Amino acid sequence: GQQLNQSPQSMFIQEGEDVSMNCTSSSIFNTWLWYKQDPGEGPVLLIALYKAGELTSNGRLTAQFGITRKDSFLNISASIPSDVGIYFCAGRGEYGNKLVFGAGTILRVKS
Amino acid sequence: GAGVSQSPRYKVAKRGQDVALRCDPISGHVSLFWYQQALGQGPEFLTYFQNEAQLDKSGLPSDRFFAERPEGSVSTLKIQRTQQEDSAVYLCASSSNFRNEQFFGPGTRLTVL
Repeated sequence: GQQLNQSPQSMFIQEGEDVSMNCTSSSIFNTWLWYKQDPGEGPVLLIALYKAGELTSNGRLTAQFGITRKDSFLNISASIPSDVGIYFCAGRGEYGNKLVFGAGTILRVKS
Repeated sequence: GAGVSQSPRYKVAKRGQDVALRCDPISGHVSLFWYQQALGQGPEFLTYFQNEAQLDKSGLPSDRFFAERPEGSVSTLKIQRTQQEDSAVYLCASSSNFRNEQFFGPGTRLTVL
């Protein structure tokens, strides 16, 4: 079945640093979504991407839909303590509406 | 707020018990999804409804899992004869037909003893 490889698995950075994480797939996706999940809560949608090559920003967050439709990255600029959490990429394939999720990137920020 | 709500938030069941988990989607959202999230993993798809029609149940792990959405709004995920491996967070998400953005509820954490 479809699988997403998300990296890095975890990262520990200094406050103020920029962060980058990415997802790759062996299959083509029509939609890429990035979510953040805090402990005990459901995933919260950060950014949605709908076209190959699309670059979208949401505040300090920027995400891109890869040209091959098999990858996406998320950048966080000038990280702050509240950026701590688990970030998931998710893709919707060419058929059906279900999302396939990566295993997540755990972000820890040192203040 | 007007987000997706789920109840109960926590459920402890003895092995062999039946459980029912409820999801109230965002008002007007025609699509509803159930996902299962094991500890330390990303959510995994279980089933999908468009209005009251269950269009995809390919992710349900066994015939002990059953979902319904009889009036096209509230949905219930039922697990019969629970097993320890059913312990997980069960997430519900909804979306409108215009975009594929899925909005998640807080989840129900199920622990089977």
